[in-house]
Amino acid sequence: DAGITQSPRHKVTETGTPVTLRCHQTENHRYMYWYRQDPGHGLRLIHYSYGVKDTDKGEVSDGYSVSRSKTEDFLLTLESATSSQTSVYFCAISGGAETQYFGPGTRLLVL
Amino acid sequence: AQSVTQPDIHITVSEGASLELRCNYSYGATPYLFWYVQSPGQGLQLLLKYFSGDTLVQGIKGFEAEFKRSQSSFNLRKPSVHWSDAAEYFCAVGAGNNDMRFGAGTRLTVKP
Repeated sequence: DAGITQSPRHKVTETGTPVTLRCHQTENHRYMYWYRQDPGHGLRLIHYSYGVKDTDKGEVSDGYSVSRSKTEDFLLTLESATSSQTSVYFCAISGGAETQYFGPGTRLLVL
Repeated sequence: AQSVTQPDIHITVSEGASLELRCNYSYGATPYLFWYVQSPGQGLQLLLKYFSGDTLVQGIKGFEAEFKRSQSSFNLRKPSVHWSDAAEYFCAVGAGNNDMRFGAGTRLTVKP
């Protein structure tokens, strides 16, 4: 299995609070991704990174920001969490050969 | 942009029976195609992928998939299903490292 960890694995927060999710990889892969998974939608790309300090928006980026200051870490921040951001969040990595490998996920509940 | 359709939301098969999960894609060029499996509470595990070449690809756990350009399909098959195959299966199409689209998933239930 690819060396990807996500923290926290579960989080409950209140509407309006900031939340940061962390993805850490030990594979030294260039590309990192954040997805959200919701019933009936599969996985949808939030943001991705193609290198340190290089990031871009995905399909559902509104309300989210990301940062990548080191190759191994990719942070996803919800500046002011809303109930619509209750979801399961997955980080993925890719070495550049198209295939993405996924972390175990973070289950977020916004009350 | 590319898109993926998995027509079956839920499929139930008996243990030992054959399985086929359908996947149709929309993309202007030859896509990169993937099948992933997700067990409850887990992340996604890559089953197999197609980039080019032989249109019948073999994957892990006894799965295979066939790319049919004329039908824009990439169906997943297994000749004999085991109870441990119960999971959710996702088809995905990629056009570049920043743009992979996933289907909504097919949940597989295996009857004893």
